[in-house]
Order: sequence, then structure tokens, then C-alpha cells
Amino acid sequence: KAGVTQTPRYLIKTRGQQVTLSCSPISGHRSVSWYQQTPGQGLQFLFEYFSETQRNKGNFPGRFSGRQFSNSRSEMNVSTLELGDSALYLCASGPSSYEQYFGPGTRLTVT
Amino acid sequence: GENVEQHPSTLSVQEGDSAVIKCTYSDSASNYFPWYKQELGKGPQLIIDIRSNVGEKKDQRIAVTLNKTAKHFSLHITETQPEDSAVYFCAALPPLAGGSYIPTFGRGTSLIVHP
Repeated sequence: KAGVTQTPRYLIKTRGQQVTLSCSPISGHRSVSWYQQTPGQGLQFLFEYFSETQRNKGNFPGRFSGRQFSNSRSEMNVSTLELGDSALYLCASGPSSYEQYFGPGTRLTVT
Repeated sequence: GENVEQHPSTLSVQEGDSAVIKCTYSDSASNYFPWYKQELGKGPQLIIDIRSNVGEKKDQRIAVTLNKTAKHFSLHITETQPEDSAVYFCAALPPLAGGSYIPTFGRGTSLIVHP
């Protein structure tokens, strides 16, 4: 089976801009979650989508949003980018919200 | 909410030695405990997991033990090889309403295996 794919792999944006990241889950997986990974805060949960519905949300501001499409593909959006949003954004999919398989991530740099 | 402590932050071993990484959690309701391996430039890879109704699980050179009373679980790697060098993360997941979970991760252990 193909793994989780994320596009783009690298992105450079300027403060104030917005960005959209894309994730294609493993075929058959209905749960898709997003995480932010930084050296300072570690791995932090952003949100989980299951069958196109946001099931859980982590402790992040409303600038972070996402959605899931009927084919389980998911997108994550960050508006009004701040320097502190520079991070590795990871998407994970699974048959359930506890068994998760990660993609390679999108490295976002905000300048 | 859940809090996970992971130790050590760095572990250096010789090839062939064993490596042990320990995690403690705070929420007694947590019932699923995965371990991930993250190599440079890659996403975390699920390598083994354990549920709260099991005390130990093995998969070739990797084993995980769980002590629910003490609220800690450990990853054991035997006969380490240079390709085991990576950052390892533990996580604890308490169940939420509706059967969903939100993982809380440890801060990671950088394992270095010297040839």
C-alpha cells in the first residue's frame, strides 16, 4: 500500500501570508490527523478529521483550520502566518484515531 | 490533560548493546501506548504499540513493557545496529467521547548506535 503523501514537502512564506498544505491518506483510512513539530514544543496535535467531520482539535489558535474531502484527502490552512508557525507539519492517517501512520511532513519556513 | 515524560533525551550505545527508553504518563485512563521512530528528514514511523490490557509485547528485537500501576512504559531494543540510530517518541492516548483519541507525545530520545 502506498503511504501517506504530503505536498508540498518544503515551503517558504512571508509573515502575514496564508498557506494551504495537502495530505493524501493511506487508501481505506478514514481518520486523518495533523500535527505540528518544532524543536521547542515537540510534537503537538492540531486536529483530527473522520469521515469529513472534525472530531477533535488541539490547543491552537483559530488561524489553523482544516478540512477533509469525501475521498479522505485533507487540507490544512494557516492564515496570517507568524514567525512562530515555522515548523514541520505532519499528517497521519489510520483506520482509527489511535493507530496512526505518518507522512513525511511539510517543512514550512516563515520569514 | 495527559502529560508524558520521556527519558533519557539522548542515549549513546555501542553496536550490539541493548537500549532502554522510559516514559511515564499522568492520566490513568490512557489505554493505548505507541512508540515511533523518526529518522532525519522523515515522518515518525509506528514501530510498536501496546494496549493497557497487556503487560508486554515483543516484535523481533523490539519490546515494550507497560506498568499500569506505576503509569510507566518502556521501549527495549536488543542487539542494537547503526540503523537503529534515530529519534524515538512515546505517546499516551486516553479515550475520548465517541471513541476518538488525542495523543500526547514525549519529547523524544535521540538514540545513537556507534559501530
